[in-house]
Amino acid sequence: DSGVTQTPKHLITATGQRVTLRCSPRSGDLSVYWYQQSLDQGLQFLIQYYNGEERAKGNILERFSAQQFPDLHSELNLSSLELGDSALYFCASSELAGGPLGETQYFGPGTRLLVL
Amino acid sequence: AQKITQTQPGMFVQEKEAVTLDCTYDTSDPSYGLFWYKQPSSGEMIFLIYQGSYDQQNATEGRYSLNFQKARKSANLVISASQLGDSAMYFCAMSLFNQAGTALIFGKGTTLSVSS
Repeated sequence: DSGVTQTPKHLITATGQRVTLRCSPRSGDLSVYWYQQSLDQGLQFLIQYYNGEERAKGNILERFSAQQFPDLHSELNLSSLELGDSALYFCASSELAGGPLGETQYFGPGTRLLVL
Repeated sequence: AQKITQTQPGMFVQEKEAVTLDCTYDTSDPSYGLFWYKQPSSGEMIFLIYQGSYDQQNATEGRYSLNFQKARKSANLVISASQLGDSAMYFCAMSLFNQAGTALIFGKGTTLSVSS
């Protein structure tokens, strides 16, 4: 158990809908990261928040948004869902912001999203 | 652009044998971190080992060691005395720093199958 929690574990929804994925980082960790894992794209970085501020952004679609709250939990909002958004979405956390040498990121169990 | 390459889609090994999973990386940054993660069939991502670009010694964590050859830009994972529970997908990753935050970029992974 990494100490990172994600809810829900599974989510089935229809195209065009909007969903919210929730993540609680390990106790004491200030950074939260979101990743998408799909068969065709592999594991892709979406976005990083550090202590409430956006710090790094990957190939996150405009239909996707995230935020980190004062209690450090984070939510990833996915809207106007398409079939291709079906994937495993991971949240990860680390103690600090990472830096040039990187920092170990601890992953949650993931939310498996299926868009029908 | 930074890139991680894992050329072995699948590896097969018998219990108690050692196995090496290959990883090469491409970056022009002098500072970076290299990581290995394990993803069992249950889906979670488990951190295994880290190597910083300035570390002189190869990292070791129990049965895992990272064979870091900087000039060749390789960071192979060596698992000694394989166990059935080592059967999983293994991902090599590298830190990508953008002055404000850090992401991990991942290779496509190698599936390891351990047989008795």
